[in-house]
Amino acid sequence: AQSVTQPDIHITVSEGASLELRCNYSYGATPYLFWYVQSPGQGLQLLLKYFSGDTLVQGIKGFEAEFKRSQSSFNLRKPSVHWSDAAEYFCAVGARSNTGKLIFGQGTTLQVKP
Amino acid sequence: DTGVSQDPRHKITKRGQNVTFRCDPISEHNRLYWYRQTLGQGPEFLTYFQNEAQLEKSRLLSDRFSAERPKGSFSTLEIQRTEQGDSAMYLCASSLALETAPTDTQYFGPGTRLTVL
Repeated sequence: AQSVTQPDIHITVSEGASLELRCNYSYGATPYLFWYVQSPGQGLQLLLKYFSGDTLVQGIKGFEAEFKRSQSSFNLRKPSVHWSDAAEYFCAVGARSNTGKLIFGQGTTLQVKP
Repeated sequence: DTGVSQDPRHKITKRGQNVTFRCDPISEHNRLYWYRQTLGQGPEFLTYFQNEAQLEKSRLLSDRFSAERPKGSFSTLEIQRTEQGDSAMYLCASSLALETAPTDTQYFGPGTRLTVL
């Protein structure tokens, strides 16, 4: 069965520091991978996605993620965090079938210290 | 493009009452999804439609839950005889699924927060 694990429930970084949020997935083949961000009380905004091709994908707001098949990982990175990046981040996997449904991880809450 | 909209944004109800939520997808999108998100968790898939056809339902969707998308545009999610365990954020997403594309990208609405007293 598909599953997504985000090992870090809560992360605190200083403004201007680099950020890496971890995501590991379990799936029998190469999945489709997504990162979404959710601000308090809001819906989810798509940051980036991986379907195929270049394993380093660029997203909005200066985020990037790297797909590593050997590690079943799709970690999200940002070189310099801004206070406005404080939010909850969700990694999701989609099946390579035609259902389109997403399986989400538990989420990582990012706190940014001034 | 006004994005996905959901109504109401908040709903407080008493246990045993029925509630109905509405989702208006992005206009040209043919797929519409419903997810449920409880506090501290990621969203969980409930059901989805391709046009007006409901193609998949999660085991999470008990008999008390029903969803419709009668004309392939907006969708409604009804919960009958609400229970306290139904308290959650109900998220709607839409996408444009093409036969020529490997998968679709889902765009989410702001959600409806349900509180059952």
